[in-house]
Amino acid sequence: NAGVTQTPKFRVLKTGQSMTLLCAQDMNHEYMYWYRQDPGMGLRLIHYSVGEGTTAKGEVPDGYNVSRLKKQNFLLGLESAAPSQTSVYFCASSYSSLGDGYTFGSGTRLTVV
Amino acid sequence: RKEVEQDPGPFNVPEGATVAFNCTYSNSASQSFFWYRQDCRKEPKLLMSVYSSGNEDGRFTAQLNRASQYISLLIRDSKLSDSATYLCVVILNKFYFGSGTKLNVKP
Repeated sequence: NAGVTQTPKFRVLKTGQSMTLLCAQDMNHEYMYWYRQDPGMGLRLIHYSVGEGTTAKGEVPDGYNVSRLKKQNFLLGLESAAPSQTSVYFCASSYSSLGDGYTFGSGTRLTVV
Repeated sequence: RKEVEQDPGPFNVPEGATVAFNCTYSNSASQSFFWYRQDCRKEPKLLMSVYSSGNEDGRFTAQLNRASQYISLLIRDSKLSDSATYLCVVILNKFYFGSGTKLNVKP
């Protein structure tokens, strides 16, 4: 049972480059989320999805786009990376909005130079 | 004002000590409450849910005080392996994470 899998685990980008982070879950969860975590800031919600084909903005959506074409996958895209996007990115999924089965992936460490 | 606030610590305690953390939340309509544990450079993992009636799991006890709008986590007989950051989570239609309280348990 893999749970929530994030790829890649580490990445270094140059300013202006683009990339996509993949989150895959095998628990048939409806809800999926992307967070970033920075020292002293805690977890901040970037975007989330309440079901296949839906996406919504979170607390810090600027500079990111997302897609949920399949229920099990939630992609986070950076079109033009900036040093301010250096962070640890966590994906999570849950069965409901009340947090049933809320599970995090192991994170992606992104450095933009 | 932040939805959820925690003392960042660090709390430095010796093995065997009892330590307690509080977390305050701003919206009285908040629906559910949890404590998560996050080890260094790892993802957060669910520690326990928090109920008005209290919730105990071994050495860990979580309490909710709706009147004063805070939740607490009590750890008894601290172990070295309890060293981590503890995040409180409050749900009001979506998840609100505290920024975490760091605990260091010393030998």
